[in-house]
Amino acid sequence: AQTVTQSQPEMSVQEAETVTLSCTYDTSESDYYLFWYKQPPSRQMILVIRQEAYKQQNATENRFSVNFQKAAKSFSLKISDSQLGDAAMYFCAYRSASGSARQLTFGSGTQLTVLP
Amino acid sequence: ETGVTQSPTHLIKTRGQQVTLRCSSQSGHNTVSWYQQALGQGPQFIFQYYREEENGRGNFPPRFSGLQFPNYSSELNVNALELDDSALYLCASSQGGTAKETQYFGPGTRLLVL
Repeated sequence: AQTVTQSQPEMSVQEAETVTLSCTYDTSESDYYLFWYKQPPSRQMILVIRQEAYKQQNATENRFSVNFQKAAKSFSLKISDSQLGDAAMYFCAYRSASGSARQLTFGSGTQLTVLP
Repeated sequence: ETGVTQSPTHLIKTRGQQVTLRCSSQSGHNTVSWYQQALGQGPQFIFQYYREEENGRGNFPPRFSGLQFPNYSSELNVNALELDDSALYLCASSQGGTAKETQYFGPGTRLLVL
């Protein structure tokens, strides 16, 4: 079974600065997808970024980018020019590319605080 | 494009009761997945429905059951509620059948069991 570990329960960053959230995962599969979701106090889980394991290039979405290290099974999220609206719980998630259900396996989350 | 919606937003039940939670999938999506998120934890997969059939199930007992309707909306039913069932229940929809599908979440239903 796949597991996802987020070792930083809480992080804080100054507004306009850069912060990196860590995620590691364990799998024996070679083809899979990795995601970062953001959950603000409104509770709705919002997709931030997605990475396909067979792509070597790191995904980027505006101020959000990932550092995907397949051999190390590491998938960190970098947030540049942090904004107050970035404050939320961030979840790393894994999904297999095989099998029928393709459910998401989530980490325990990192609570990000953005300081003005 | 309509996003994923869930009802109700909050619910209070007592131990032993039954509850039904509802989810409307995003337009164009045929797959619905349900997750349970206990306070301070990441979501846990309950089950998934694809074209009205259960397509996979997590480690949840049979008193958690579901349905998917021809319009791809879905229900989660929980019988014989226990105190530990208190959680946020999230529904996610996706365009199933491809490895590239991405799940989009609704706002959740907060269930409190007393």
